[in-house]
Amino acid sequence: DIQMTQSPSTLSAFVGDRVTITCRASQSISSRLAWYQQKPGKAPKVVIYEASSLESGVPSRFSGSGSGTEFTLTISSLQPDDFATYYCQQCHSYPITFGQGTRLEIK
Amino acid sequence: EVQLVESGGGLVQPGGSLRLSCAASGFTFSDHYMDWVRQAPGKGLEWVGRTRNKANSYTTEYAASVKGRFTISRDDSKSSLYLQLNSLKTEDTAVYYCARSGSYSGFHYWGQGTLVTVSS
Repeated sequence: DIQMTQSPSTLSAFVGDRVTITCRASQSISSRLAWYQQKPGKAPKVVIYEASSLESGVPSRFSGSGSGTEFTLTISSLQPDDFATYYCQQCHSYPITFGQGTRLEIK
Repeated sequence: EVQLVESGGGLVQPGGSLRLSCAASGFTFSDHYMDWVRQAPGKGLEWVGRTRNKANSYTTEYAASVKGRFTISRDDSKSSLYLQLNSLKTEDTAVYYCARSGSYSGFHYWGQGTLVTVSS
């Protein structure tokens, strides 16, 4: 199985900050990676797919990069609505696996 | 508008069974792979399994933790996805989501989830 490791597990930041979340795969997954945002009691919502493609309707302050085994999700200027938990997911091979999540908190 | 609506969750005893449903609308259901994902209370996301479309013979994939106990099926005539849960364990307690998959591009649409609680 491909293990997905996110860092950090928790991130505290101010509105307006630029933040980056990292996701590492235990083996190469090409660009077959998605990022999800989840708020309490709600279903996850995809923000980035295929490592760097912005999902329709998602603000352009979100961006993704990387390929192979190392990936990043960057939010260029945090807004109050962005405070949530973020998960990466590999779509390269079965079983599909998720990272453990990064909780983004307001400082 | 794409909509996925799960139903069928509830309280079940260990060793029991349950069948979850996911009603889809707003897209051509038969064209798409469909997945189930679960989330235990306060925990992260766990992929449960997938059914491919008719063009790919409705073949299925499962996570090791549920293989042999859970079965995914679909009825394209009803635009519905199903998850049969057998031999349930307390660790199967979770919110179960259905999701429309984009092959290698992740899950672009999710239902609201249905809670399954396995407890005596």
